[in-house]
Order: sequence, then C-alpha cells, then structure tokens
Amino acid sequence: AAGVIQSPRHLIKEKRETATLKCYPIPRHDTVYWYQQGPGQDPQFLISFYEKMQSDKGSIPDRFSAQQFSDYHSELNMSSLELGDSALYFCASSLAGTPMVEQYFGPGTRLTVT
Amino acid sequence: AQKITQTQPGMFVQEKEAVTLDCTYDTSDQSYGLFWYKQPSSGEMIFLIYQGSYDEQNATEGRYSLNFQKARKSANLVISASQLGDSAMYFCAMREGGGSNYKLTFGKGTLLTVNP
Repeated sequence: AAGVIQSPRHLIKEKRETATLKCYPIPRHDTVYWYQQGPGQDPQFLISFYEKMQSDKGSIPDRFSAQQFSDYHSELNMSSLELGDSALYFCASSLAGTPMVEQYFGPGTRLTVT
Repeated sequence: AQKITQTQPGMFVQEKEAVTLDCTYDTSDQSYGLFWYKQPSSGEMIFLIYQGSYDEQNATEGRYSLNFQKARKSANLVISASQLGDSAMYFCAMREGGGSNYKLTFGKGTLLTVNP
C-alpha cells in the first residue's frame, strides 16, 4: 500500500539559509499535518491543511510557512534557519470524515542546521 | 497541564515477558482518541494501536493491547511476549474532538529496552 512520502529524507543547511520540505500524502487523503520533533523530544504539531486550506496552527514560528497544493501535496518552507530548527520533521495524512483509526506518518525529514 | 503524561522515561523487560507502558490523559472532550506509536532508533513513527473514547472494548492488535480505563483517564499499552525488536521509544498520543482536523498531542515517551 502507498504510504506518505517525504523529501528530502536528510537535509543539511547553514544558519540563515532557507529550506523546503515536501510531503506527498497517501492517495485520496485530503488532510496533511506537519510535526516537528527536536532531539530527545516528543513530536510537536506545527500546522495542518484540509482541502488545501489551513485548518489548524500550532507552535509554528513566523519564519515558517506552509501550503497544500491542488494535488494535495504539501510544502513546509523554512527561512532564516536557526540552530534550534534542527529536528526531525514529520508529515502525516488522513482522510477527513472517516472513522479515524490512525494518522499515517511519513518517514520524516531530518534537518540539520549548522 | 500536560494533556498526555507518560511517567516512565525508561523501562526494561526480559525477552518473552510482558510489559506495561503507562499513559494518562487529560481532556474535557467526550469524543477523543488515544494512540500508541513506536519510534525505533531509525526515526520513523509506527502506528501500533488506537482506542476511541466510545469504544467499549479494549483495543488489541496482535501482541499489543490497550488497557483503557476511562474513569481513571488511563490508556496503558501492554506488550506481550516481548521481542528484541520491540526496543524503541513508545509515544502515547491523543486526538481531541472530531471532524476533519485532529492534530495529535504526544506524551514525552517511554524508552523500552528488551534484554535477551
């Protein structure tokens, strides 16, 4: 079965640079979530999209922005990167309106800011 | 206040024995869902088991079962017949409300080590 795809899997950037993370949800899933997991931390919700509209926002810095495109893939854009942005970034997808059993997580993008 | 509390930062278990990982939650919603995820050292987040707040029976998935005690607001994960491959970080998470958006709130996790 198709899973959530995230690219790139690993990314190394320098401080003050920009980064773009991509997420391709499971086919027919209409909702995408982004989570940030710092080293030794639990995942923290950043932002979500339903049918290409932002549906909820968590502790996402103003330097970050995201969107969901017409094909339902999503991109997380991160600017003016800081050392503290080094983390594992997960994308998850789901289908709204279904008896929810699980939120399908992608493999994550490991971002290292040097 | 913490919405999800996992009081065991680390747990050790002998191979083939059962282990219980604790999780308590705090919500005022009537409709919510509780999840357990496994995160091995490679980093991926693997779904294990789900319990809905209206489910009357405890969820089971193979060697995993969820001991759901609604009045006590606890949702403990029981792993039977532990295997070396079960060594990983385990996160309890909660989804509140319903509809089209259900972000997850995670606990701090429990690092399980299975000893041979």
